[in-house]
Amino acid sequence: AQSVTQPDIHITVSEGASLELRCNYSYGATPYLFWYVQSPGQGLQLLLKYFSGDTLVQGIKGFEAEFKRSQSSFNLRKPSVHWSDAAEYFCAVGLNDYKLSFGAGTTVTVRA
Amino acid sequence: KAGVTQTPRYLIKTRGQQVTLSCSPISGHRSVSWYQQTPGQGLQFLFEYFSETQRNKGNFPGRFSGRQFSNSRSEMNVSTLELGDSALYLCASSLARGSSYNEQFFGPGTRLTVL
Repeated sequence: AQSVTQPDIHITVSEGASLELRCNYSYGATPYLFWYVQSPGQGLQLLLKYFSGDTLVQGIKGFEAEFKRSQSSFNLRKPSVHWSDAAEYFCAVGLNDYKLSFGAGTTVTVRA
Repeated sequence: KAGVTQTPRYLIKTRGQQVTLSCSPISGHRSVSWYQQTPGQGLQFLFEYFSETQRNKGNFPGRFSGRQFSNSRSEMNVSTLELGDSALYLCASSLARGSSYNEQFFGPGTRLTVL
């Protein structure tokens, strides 16, 4: 079955430390890949996307993600976390049906 | 350019009532999608409209319906509300449909509470 998996429900990281959020997908073809962030009470903001080409993509707010076809993964990273990065992060995939399928989300807590 | 707007932002209804939510896409965007977000089920696709036609539909009962107007604004209707319909309803717009995927821009959502 087609699915998007975010293995980590909750991650706690110290301010200034690095962050990596995992995302794996199970689809027959390589889908379009996205990372969104949602702050409490807010909608979703697109951090970055991968359609094709360079497998390391840069996004907003200092985030980057790497697409690894062999591992069916699209992990999100940030070298140095700021307190404002505390939020919920969603990995999403899209096919040519214009329907996004989301992972369950990873909540990031940043401690001082 | 203004983002996706959704009205109202908050709604409280009782079981059995119906509700209509509104979404205005980014100017020039012609595709509007709706998603339901709940703690238990996460983010789930409801339907997508393009050029006033429903192009895609998720696995929701017929109580959930929508429409799109000629100016691309969209409404979503839920009839005979159930407690389980309490959720954040998110609208997303994208520029067009074509051979390549168009990224979706999300609104702030409408928080529906069913009592």
